[in-house]
Amino acid sequence: GDSVTQMEGPVTLSEEAFLTINCTYTATGYPSLFWYVQYPGEGLQLLLKATKADDKGSNKGFEATYRKETTSFHLEKGSVQVSDSAVYFCALGAGTGNQFYFGTGTSLTVIP
Amino acid sequence: NAGVTQTPKFRVLKTGQSMTLLCAQDMNHEYMYWYRQDPGMGLRLIHYSVGEGTTAKGEVPDGYNVSRLKKQNFLLGLESAAPSQTSVYFCASSYLPWYDTGELFFGEGSRLTVL
Repeated sequence: GDSVTQMEGPVTLSEEAFLTINCTYTATGYPSLFWYVQYPGEGLQLLLKATKADDKGSNKGFEATYRKETTSFHLEKGSVQVSDSAVYFCALGAGTGNQFYFGTGTSLTVIP
Repeated sequence: NAGVTQTPKFRVLKTGQSMTLLCAQDMNHEYMYWYRQDPGMGLRLIHYSVGEGTTAKGEVPDGYNVSRLKKQNFLLGLESAAPSQTSVYFCASSYLPWYDTGELFFGEGSRLTVL
């Protein structure tokens, strides 16, 4: 079945470090891919998305490229800030059913 | 600008007790969803609704019931709580199906503990 697998955390980085959170997927057909972020005490919110192969989603300095050949959608940011501390979820949407498939989430802590 | 509001935010139940979680959205969204989040398992869809008066089963519906009597509200009920239902519950809503925008709006979550 369809699923996403993302790297386990927690991840701790110093401010201004480079961030990569790995996400790979399994899907039949042509899924759309998403990254959601959950800040402390808040609900999840959409960070970025890509709807077809080779698309790059970007927002708030974060980027992710939909790579069909490696079935991946890795999240990257060149220079993280303390305010980026949150839990990040990779998600996949496939077919016309009304559900996403979420990854397990990766907790990121950025220290000054 | 409330968005999606869940009540209660915390609850402790004894096995066999019943309770209802309320989700309210003020964005006039057609689609509403209930997820549960468990350690190491990500979010799993319990039930969803594509409009007032409609409900449908998601990935893990057993032990739960839902109702959507008003467009803005989506209720999740546990008739006889079990320890396996200890989890964090998230409600979400969207104006269009996920495959049109990919954007779900989430509440802050409700932490339920069943003893």
